[in-house]
Amino acid sequence: DGGITQSPKYLFRKEGQNVTLSCEQNLNHDAMYWYRQDPGQGLRLIYYSQIVNDFQKGDIAEGYSVSREKKESFPLTVTSAQKNPTAFYLCASSIDRDSGHYEQYFGPGTRLTVT
Amino acid sequence: QQQVKQSPQSLIVQKGGISIINCAYENTAFDYFPWYQQFPGKGPALLIAIRPDVSEKKEGRFTISFNKSAKQFSLHIMDSQPGDSATYFCAAEIDSGAGSYQLTFGKGTKLSVIP
Repeated sequence: DGGITQSPKYLFRKEGQNVTLSCEQNLNHDAMYWYRQDPGQGLRLIYYSQIVNDFQKGDIAEGYSVSREKKESFPLTVTSAQKNPTAFYLCASSIDRDSGHYEQYFGPGTRLTVT
Repeated sequence: QQQVKQSPQSLIVQKGGISIINCAYENTAFDYFPWYQQFPGKGPALLIAIRPDVSEKKEGRFTISFNKSAKQFSLHIMDSQPGDSATYFCAAEIDSGAGSYQLTFGKGTKLSVIP
């Protein structure tokens, strides 16, 4: 059963703690992405990775870190430096479906609450 | 700077009616325009997409209209059903170099279809 898995679905942490969100895909997609979703804000890109061992900052990378040691996995760490970490986090992967255009497929998301 | 503006924020349509969501973009380097549908607590799912060399694309009850000169595109949902009630996001893709593609999302439209 192919797809993108994010775990856990809900995550609670105390302020000041780092937390790592998991994202795994078995679609054999090269590119993976992390977005943050806040009410009324749409989706904002945190980090993305086109290939293993390489990743780029998105629009709101401050306070976050990622790694891409395996093609299938792209974990996101929310550090204590992130000022407002409570949000819905979405992982996506993409494939070139039609020469030059990438379709992004999203996981089910992780809702992180920091108190 | 928001590069994709989406309206309205919310929309209420009667069952059987037409739902229309509009988006406008600024960057002429965008070259692929997908729409995503998101149900509460779920990740967005790709609904339909269009390239700028096409003025209209239809898939079932969903149609994208594209006006390149006005830098606008819209989603029309014909014969709207209660099951269509969801949040819809427009997006625009850009080639950010070295085989890397990024999506910029609108802020979303919450559609409610009432019986």
